[in-house]
Amino acid sequence: AQSVSQHNHHVILSEAASLELGCNYSYGGTVNLFWYVQYPGQHLQLLLKYFSGDPLVKGIKGFEAEFIKSKFSFNLRKPSVQWSDTAEYFCAVIANNNAGNMLTFGGGTRLMVKP
Amino acid sequence: DSGVTQTPKHLITATGQRVTLRCSPRSGDLSVYWYQQSLDQGLQFLIQYYNGEERAKGNILERFSAQQFPDLHSELNLSSLELGDSALYFCASSPMGGASGELFFGEGSRLTVL
Repeated sequence: AQSVSQHNHHVILSEAASLELGCNYSYGGTVNLFWYVQYPGQHLQLLLKYFSGDPLVKGIKGFEAEFIKSKFSFNLRKPSVQWSDTAEYFCAVIANNNAGNMLTFGGGTRLMVKP
Repeated sequence: DSGVTQTPKHLITATGQRVTLRCSPRSGDLSVYWYQQSLDQGLQFLIQYYNGEERAKGNILERFSAQQFPDLHSELNLSSLELGDSALYFCASSPMGGASGELFFGEGSRLTVL
């Protein structure tokens, strides 16, 4: 079974600072990777996804993530954060083998952006 | 708005009681998933239904059960409630079996057990 680790539980940044949130997964086969975001009081929504192809994927609101297969990582980045990026960010992975696998989430990273 | 509707949004009940949470998936989505989000456990997958049939099971307690009805809405039943069951329960849906992993989440039902 796959598992996901997000090493930063809480991150505090000032506006305009750069962001990188770490995500590592454990699974030996092919995976689909996701970042979901949960703004305060709202539901989870998809930020970006990687299925195959270019390992650098771009999502909404200026976010991007890079899949590094050799490191089993899928780190989320944003060059310049805004106050409105304050939210909880979840990395998720699903094994890509059509074997009825479930989407597994990391523990989440709470980002607070100070104005 | 994700198109996934969950009711009730908030629920307060006592230990030992039973509650039912309801989820209507996005129009056309065949799969429904239930997740539990708590401070100490994070987002835990409970169960998935696909077109009325149970598809995958995660860390769901025996006191909990779920079903998906012919109109594709789903209910999660929680019984003999304990304080530790207090959490946010999310429903999500996807068009097919969810093998891609892209899910659409509802706003959650916040359960408080006193």
